[in-house]
Amino acid sequence: QVQLQQRGAGLLKPSETLSLSCSVSGGSFSHYYWSWVRQPPGKALEWIGDILQDGITNYNPSLKSRVIISIDTSDNHFSLKLTSVTAADTAVYYCARHVAVGGIYFDPWGQGTLVSVSS
Amino acid sequence: DIQLTQSPSSLSAFVGDRITITCRASQTIDTYLNWYQQKPGKAPQLLIFGASRLQSGVPSRFSGSGSGTDFTLTISNLQPEDFATYLCQQSYDAVITFGQGTRLDIK
Repeated sequence: QVQLQQRGAGLLKPSETLSLSCSVSGGSFSHYYWSWVRQPPGKALEWIGDILQDGITNYNPSLKSRVIISIDTSDNHFSLKLTSVTAADTAVYYCARHVAVGGIYFDPWGQGTLVSVSS
Repeated sequence: DIQLTQSPSSLSAFVGDRITITCRASQTIDTYLNWYQQKPGKAPQLLIFGASRLQSGVPSRFSGSGSGTDFTLTISNLQPEDFATYLCQQSYDAVITFGQGTRLDIK
């Protein structure tokens, strides 16, 4: 079964760039979108964006100017970069497979990475 | 963006009870509504997709219904492992959004 393993730094200073990666194993990497979602403390989950194997991306307009999602099909992983972070970007960040059946749902998810932004 | 409002925000129930959680969309979303269970410190897990379709491996005591703007998640015969937070998510709009969650505690 498909498993997603996240890696990346968890403590950042304001204005730095958040970088996370997500490795996919145990299943097909092709023909799916791969997504990033975050959960600020005490707030609802927020979809950040997703990427298809050929590099086509979709971003949440609220973050689009600061987000880059990239993919490496040779190594079955995809990455998230979020520039110019502030305290408002403090959240648990998840990667997930985006499945389009009767709409779009996320399954499975990575284990989550707590990213804290503080001076 | 489409807003999803869950109610109640929290509830308490006994093992064996039947509970219902509601998710209301700010505009019609057909049946593009999914439900997840999230336990503390863990990632969400898909329960229901397409408003009423049970994800493989999810116990049949979980069920979903609704279309348009009003949706419900029902859990029958609550088990100890069901005490968690439940989230709804819509994909009708290009900007995917989630509800704020309903926390289910054991009474």
